[in-house]
Amino acid sequence: GAVVSQHPSRVICKSGTSVKIECRSLDFQATTMFWYRQFPKQSLMLMATSNEGSKATYEQGVEKDKFLINHASLTLSTLTVTSAHPEDSSFYICSARGGGLAETIGETQYFGPGTRLLVL
Amino acid sequence: GQNIDQPTEMTATEGAIVQINCTYQTSGFNGLFWYQQHAGEAPTFLSYNVLDGLEEKGRFSSFLSRSKGYSYLLLKELQMKDSASYLCAVMDSNYQLIWGAGTKLIIKP
Repeated sequence: GAVVSQHPSRVICKSGTSVKIECRSLDFQATTMFWYRQFPKQSLMLMATSNEGSKATYEQGVEKDKFLINHASLTLSTLTVTSAHPEDSSFYICSARGGGLAETIGETQYFGPGTRLLVL
Repeated sequence: GQNIDQPTEMTATEGAIVQINCTYQTSGFNGLFWYQQHAGEAPTFLSYNVLDGLEEKGRFSSFLSRSKGYSYLLLKELQMKDSASYLCAVMDSNYQLIWGAGTKLIIKP
C-alpha cells in the first residue's frame, strides 16, 4: 500500500524549454502533496506543499512562476519547470500524504521514485 | 528555531548492530519519522514514533523519548544492502516535516 509514482524518471532538455513532472498516488487519496529538490550529496529541500484544489504554498526562495504546481485531483499533482536552465538540473522528488486521523499512514509522507532532470 | 541533529556518517561491520541517534528541537511535536535513502534514489519510509518507547519492525527498531527530544534507529544483523543514508524527520505543531541532514551509513564486510 501507499505507492506513489512519478513520471518521467529521467529527462534531458534544452535550456529555455519547459518540463512537466507528474506525481500520482496509486492506492490512496493524497490530500497533500509535497515537491522536493535534492542536489548531489545534499539534504532534501522542500520546494512547495500543495493541497488538492487549492494553490500551492511555496517555501522561501522558490519562485512560484518558475515552478508551477497543480494539484487538480486527490491522486495527481504536477510540477512544471518553466524556462529551465542548467542550474535547475537536480533530482526532483514528490511525496504524498493522505488525510484522516493521526495514524501512521495518515501522517506519513510516501515518496515517489524521483525525476532526474538534466538541462543542457 | 527548529533543529534536527544526527551524525553525518557512521561505519559498521556486516552482521553487527548500529544505533543512529537523532535529537530535535521543534515547535511542537506530532511524531518522528525515519526514512532510508539509497544513493540516487528517493527516500523510503521506515518508521513512525509518536509515543515514548521502542517500536520494533524486523531488523529495524526505532525509539523515542519526547521529554529528551531524542530518538534512535537501531539496525541489527547488518547487511551490505543497509548501506544508505538514514533521515530523521519531525512533524511540528503545524504538521510540517522538519528534516535532518541524514546519516550516511557505511557497511564494511
